[in-house]
Amino acid sequence: EPEVTQTPSHQVTQMGQEVILRCVPISNHLYFYWYRQILGQKVEFLVSFYNNEISEKSEIFDDQFSVERPDGSNFTLKIRSTKLEDSAMYFCASSTNRQGVQGYTFGSGTRLTVV
Amino acid sequence: KQEVTQIPAALSVPEGENLVLNCSFTDSAIYNLQWFRQDPGKGLTSLLLIQSSQREQTSGRLNASLDKSSGRSTLYIAASQPGDSATYLCAVYTGTASKLTFGTGTRLQVTL
Repeated sequence: EPEVTQTPSHQVTQMGQEVILRCVPISNHLYFYWYRQILGQKVEFLVSFYNNEISEKSEIFDDQFSVERPDGSNFTLKIRSTKLEDSAMYFCASSTNRQGVQGYTFGSGTRLTVV
Repeated sequence: KQEVTQIPAALSVPEGENLVLNCSFTDSAIYNLQWFRQDPGKGLTSLLLIQSSQREQTSGRLNASLDKSSGRSTLYIAASQPGDSATYLCAVYTGTASKLTFGTGTRLQVTL
């Protein structure tokens, strides 16, 4: 069964450093997403991406965050200057269409720890 | 704003019991509802997807129902096993919000 692949599985970074989280969505999916889950809290939407541009973003997704699809297969989330409160599990997801007629497939996540 | 609530927050049952997990949402204008399983520290595994026009979906021992007008879904797990122990999340796609909104989850423990 097709999978969404995320790397690394765990990243520790110092406050103020830049991090890039990587994702390889399912190849025939057109919509890509980042969600995050702070320990003990709900999974929260960050951003959706379609046709090489952001289609929706939440209030969490401020100027410190950016997304990119650099080469047609990878989908990245960059945090420019990490803060302690950015520590969370970050999930990448993809779907065939915006409404997820065939559902959303999530990756196994990247646990980001900011120290 | 869509709000999704799951009851109970935690549940412990002996092996073999049938159980029901509940999910409610405030905005009935959803396109679909998806149930996920999350093991501790792990990713989200999709269990069942119900489109807004459907009433239920079944996969093995799992059955999910949807009552869109009342803003409710249930996940029924038959003959529970210790391997079913995990957190179960429901998420709805709402057209006005153009995103998945997740519930708080139900942490299930199935004991021997």
